[in-house]
Amino acid sequence: KQEVTQIPAALSVPEGENLVLNCSFTDSAIYNLQWFRQDPGKGLTSLLLIQSSQREQTSGRLNASLDKSSGRSTLYIAASQPGDSATYLCAVNFNKFYFGSGTKLNVKP
Amino acid sequence: GAVVSQHPSRVICKSGTSVKIECRSLDFQATTMFWYRQFPKKSLMLMATSNEGSKATYEQGVEKDKFLINHASLTLSTLTVTSAHPEDSSFYICSATTGATNYGYTFGSGTRLTVV
Repeated sequence: KQEVTQIPAALSVPEGENLVLNCSFTDSAIYNLQWFRQDPGKGLTSLLLIQSSQREQTSGRLNASLDKSSGRSTLYIAASQPGDSATYLCAVNFNKFYFGSGTKLNVKP
Repeated sequence: GAVVSQHPSRVICKSGTSVKIECRSLDFQATTMFWYRQFPKKSLMLMATSNEGSKATYEQGVEKDKFLINHASLTLSTLTVTSAHPEDSSFYICSATTGATNYGYTFGSGTRLTVV
């Protein structure tokens, strides 16, 4: 069974810091990987989609990398802001999406 | 961009009744839709995969008679929680895709179900 792991489970940082969220998966035969943001009690907002042939994707202050061979992806958030506070979910597409348990981020003003 | 609409966003129902949740793709044809359940402080667990015009495929441990899924058109899938009980209270989210392997999945905004 495919497994997706995210570390850390929770992260609290002061505003302005650059930070890295990690995602690992057990099977390198993936179609793509997607990072999402979830605010409390809300649905999912797609942040970045990386195809299996790509190594990274960037959107604004967000950069996601993918290393299929080692089964890892990272989400880099530059110059964090309080509005970035949310849970970040990594989902790996093995022909179905499997989700990690998320990293709960708190950016303190 | 691709939009998936999910209704209702919140529903409270009495034990023993049935509840239907709708998932619609508004601007694309969704050959495949997925239903997820999220327990408090947990990640999303895939419940079932539905393809338009065919029976849904349920993940291990999901009761197909309790969670009825219908995907009658390329833009609509429904999840019906039958004879709901308090333990069915959860956050349910649908997602949709065109089926192309390089296409990302678009998620609905979720439905908070509370069974009293």
